[in-house]
Amino acid sequence: GESVGLHLPTLSVQEGDNSIINCAYSNSASDYFIWYKQESGKGPQFIIDIRSNMDKRQGQRVTVLLNKTVKHLSLQIAATQPGDSAVYFCAGSAESRLTFGEGTQLTVNP
Amino acid sequence: NAGVTQTPKFRILKIGQSMTLQCTQDMNHNYMYWYRQDPGMGLKLIYYSVGAGITDKGEVPNGYNVSRSTTEDFPLRLELAAPSQTSVYFCASSYSPGWSNQPQHFGDGTRLSIL
Repeated sequence: GESVGLHLPTLSVQEGDNSIINCAYSNSASDYFIWYKQESGKGPQFIIDIRSNMDKRQGQRVTVLLNKTVKHLSLQIAATQPGDSAVYFCAGSAESRLTFGEGTQLTVNP
Repeated sequence: NAGVTQTPKFRILKIGQSMTLQCTQDMNHNYMYWYRQDPGMGLKLIYYSVGAGITDKGEVPNGYNVSRSTTEDFPLRLELAAPSQTSVYFCASSYSPGWSNQPQHFGDGTRLSIL
C-alpha cells in the first residue's frame, strides 16, 4: 500500500528565508498529492495540490515540485513568516483515498 | 460558512464506555471521512463514506462504527472504549474523489482520552 514519509521531522528557518519541506512516497499509482498545514489545536488546512501529470505548481508564496522518477515532492515557502510556523503534511491519493505522512514541524525564528 | 463542525471538542472516557463523535458539514459534500491522529504522527483513515447510506472501512476501522443517514452528518461510534483509542479525531469532507481541485476540508478535531 501507499506510504508517505518526510525526510525531516523538524525544520527551523529565519524569518524572510525560503523554506523547503520534502516528502517521499512509495506508491507509483498515486495520482494526486496535497500539502496541508496544521496549526496547534486545529485541523489540517489545505495549502496546495498537484496532479501526477504535473511537475510544478505555484500558489501564493508556495510552490510544490513533483519528481515522479524518484517519487519525491517538496513544498517551498518563499519569504517565510512567523505565521507559517506549523506542522506540514504531505498526502498522496490513490484509489480516492489519502495517505498522510508524519509531518514536519516548521519553526520560524524572528 | 461553518464548513466541517465536530463535537465535542474534548472528552474523557473510562475504559469500556461508549460514545459518539459528531460531525456535520454544510457544503453539500458527498464524501466524508474520519481520521485519527496520534501524537507526532500523520492522520490514519478510520472510515469513509461516498454518500448517504454508503460507508466503507479505512486503514484502522477496528473498534469503531459509522453511519451516514444524511449527506450532512457522519457520526463515529466507539462501543467499548480502550486506552489505545486515545487520540485526536478529525472529520473531513470533500465534493468528490476525483480531486479536481476539490481537497478535503477538515474540522478542528475531537480530543479523546480513555482512562
